[in-house]
Amino acid sequence: AQKITQTQPGMFVQEKEAVTLDCTYDTSDQSYGLFWYKQPSSGEMIFLIYQGSYDEQNATEGRYSLNFQKARKSANLVISASQLGDSAMYFCAYDTGGFKTIFGAGTRLFVKA
Amino acid sequence: ETGVTQTPRHLVMGMTNKKSLKCEQHLGHNAMYWYKQSAKKPLELMFVYSLEERVENNSVPSRFSPECPNSSHLFLHLHTLQPEDSALYLCASSQDSGDYEQYFGPGTRLTVT
Repeated sequence: AQKITQTQPGMFVQEKEAVTLDCTYDTSDQSYGLFWYKQPSSGEMIFLIYQGSYDEQNATEGRYSLNFQKARKSANLVISASQLGDSAMYFCAYDTGGFKTIFGAGTRLFVKA
Repeated sequence: ETGVTQTPRHLVMGMTNKKSLKCEQHLGHNAMYWYKQSAKKPLELMFVYSLEERVENNSVPSRFSPECPNSSHLFLHLHTLQPEDSALYLCASSQDSGDYEQYFGPGTRLTVT
């Protein structure tokens, strides 16, 4: 069965600095997708970025980029130039192309002024 | 309204009550999901509907009963719940299955007393 691991329960970053949130996965599937979601204190989950297993380039969306290392089965999220509004829970998720998305336990990010 | 809406936002119910959670999406999506988010646990997929047909039931107890009358609406009927069912229940939708991001509602915070 597929498995998603986020080893950092909490992270601190200084405003305007970059931060990397770790995500590793375990699968024998050849085709899959990896997502990152942000959950502010309001509870709503917000889609940030997507990486397909066959994509040759790392995905980028504004200040978000995904450091995808397929051989190592890692899909770390990099947030550049952190802002106070980035303080939230961040979830890594795995999708096999069906309907079943598996989420990691999440990382709480705190951005310090 | 836009996006995915959920009502009520907060619900307190006794173990003998019957209540329903409502989710509505205004995005023209074909798939809708119910997730349970408990404290200190990864997001758990409960049910998936695609074109109003249930395509995934993740071993959820029968005291949770989903209903999808049309592609825009999804309900979760609750009866004889247990205190451990207290959690944030999130609804999501996506264009279809596969590599599509999911759009989440704000969630319903359920407390079972």
